[in-house]
Amino acid sequence: SSELTQDPAVSVALGQTVTITCQGDSLRTCYASWYQQKPGQAPVLVIYGKNNRPSGIPDRFSCSSSGNTASLTISGAQAEDEADYYCYSRHSSANHWVFGGGTKLTVL
Amino acid sequence: QVQLVQSGAEVKKPGASVRVSCKTSGYTFTRNWIHWVRQAPGQGLEWMGIINPNGGATMYAQKFQGRVTVTRDTTTSTVHMELRSLRSDDTAIYYCARDHSNEMVVWWLDPWGQGTLVTVSS
Repeated sequence: SSELTQDPAVSVALGQTVTITCQGDSLRTCYASWYQQKPGQAPVLVIYGKNNRPSGIPDRFSCSSSGNTASLTISGAQAEDEADYYCYSRHSSANHWVFGGGTKLTVL
Repeated sequence: QVQLVQSGAEVKKPGASVRVSCKTSGYTFTRNWIHWVRQAPGQGLEWMGIINPNGGATMYAQKFQGRVTVTRDTTTSTVHMELRSLRSDDTAIYYCARDHSNEMVVWWLDPWGQGTLVTVSS
């Protein structure tokens, strides 16, 4: 089992807003980063820390953090956002890193 | 631009070993740690280990301790991951990824290699 917990699946209507959450003790001391993975492709970084997006990632992706929970929000979800999303952080023991179990996002 | 290019797909028999390579380019090799992550068919991402190319220090997930070794070759800016005593449940795509950290409170991986499929089958 993962030390970061995500809902296995979430759906959103086209153009609406959706939030994907990630819970774990390591998030009390470290911010999460988030990855998008489409079928047959390697994961891609979409956002990290305090709302830092790599170049090329749309600003409809945002993140926040509170206590032991990190959240990824997609405002105005598009069809191309349908993918698996993973959170990631360094474990509080500092001797390993962990991924959440992943959330499959369906855009209806 | 920064690139991580991995070696090609492998098919191995149970009990064998596999070595996957990750050749980096576009940045100073010793400045960023490199992680290894795997993904079994239909499953999520699983962190395996990390190497600091500046000196070669490593850390491994407890699950893989004693079975995995990550090394680096500074002359070719390449990182290698060897997994031994392969089992059928080691069948997965193996990824390398470049590590970043900001003040040790946020960690991210960018970019990722394209992945290497390792199939373990008798």
